Amino acid sequence: EVQLVESGGALVQPGGSLRLSCAASGFIFSSYDMNWVRQAPGKGLEWISHIRTSSTTEYADSVKGRFTISRDNAKNSLYLQMNSLRDDDTAVYYCARDAKYKDDYWGQGTLVTVSS
Amino acid sequence: EIVLTQSPATLSLSPGERATLSCRASQSVRSYLAWYQQKPGQAPRLLIYDASNRATGIPDRFSGSGSGTDFTLTISSLEPEDFAVYYCQQRSKWPLTFGGGTKVEIK
Repeated sequence: EVQLVESGGALVQPGGSLRLSCAASGFIFSSYDMNWVRQAPGKGLEWISHIRTSSTTEYADSVKGRFTISRDNAKNSLYLQMNSLRDDDTAVYYCARDAKYKDDYWGQGTLVTVSS
Repeated sequence: EIVLTQSPATLSLSPGERATLSCRASQSVRSYLAWYQQKPGQAPRLLIYDASNRATGIPDRFSGSGSGTDFTLTISSLEPEDFAVYYCQQRSKWPLTFGGGTKVEIK
């Protein structure tokens, strides 16, 4: 059974940093691209970052230069390093498996709250 | 970036009725469009990919159509569990983008 479990969400002050993790199981993690998608409270979905099996990356303009996506295939894990956090980064952050033109499995999400 | 506009924002229907949801792209996305369903407090769930292919385990009352800039998600006969928010997403160009969502609510 494919499972994605996010962790690392917390309350953090503006300007702070946080590292999210996504533990994958039930599939060959190294064979799949992965995405991070977020959802602000009461709002829609926003794609923020993508990493290929080759570890090349893509970012939304809203996070470019502040967030870094990475992966550790030996640990079946995906990461999102978030720096210079702002109030508008407050959201539930989901990791999703990218099965070529579709996100077919999603984690349950982890909440990041940026507030002083 | 490619902007996806979903309409209507809210659709008020009764169980058993047909739901027709629209997603319009600001430029062609060919057939690289997916639809997701999201219920309160849950992660999104993939329904349709490549505009018209049902994901594994999705009932055949869900169907997708369209290509280029105009797409439709149809639910042929609404079941109680179908009342939710639906999002389209384009997979044609970076950055990936989602539409603003259509809420299907019970009338």
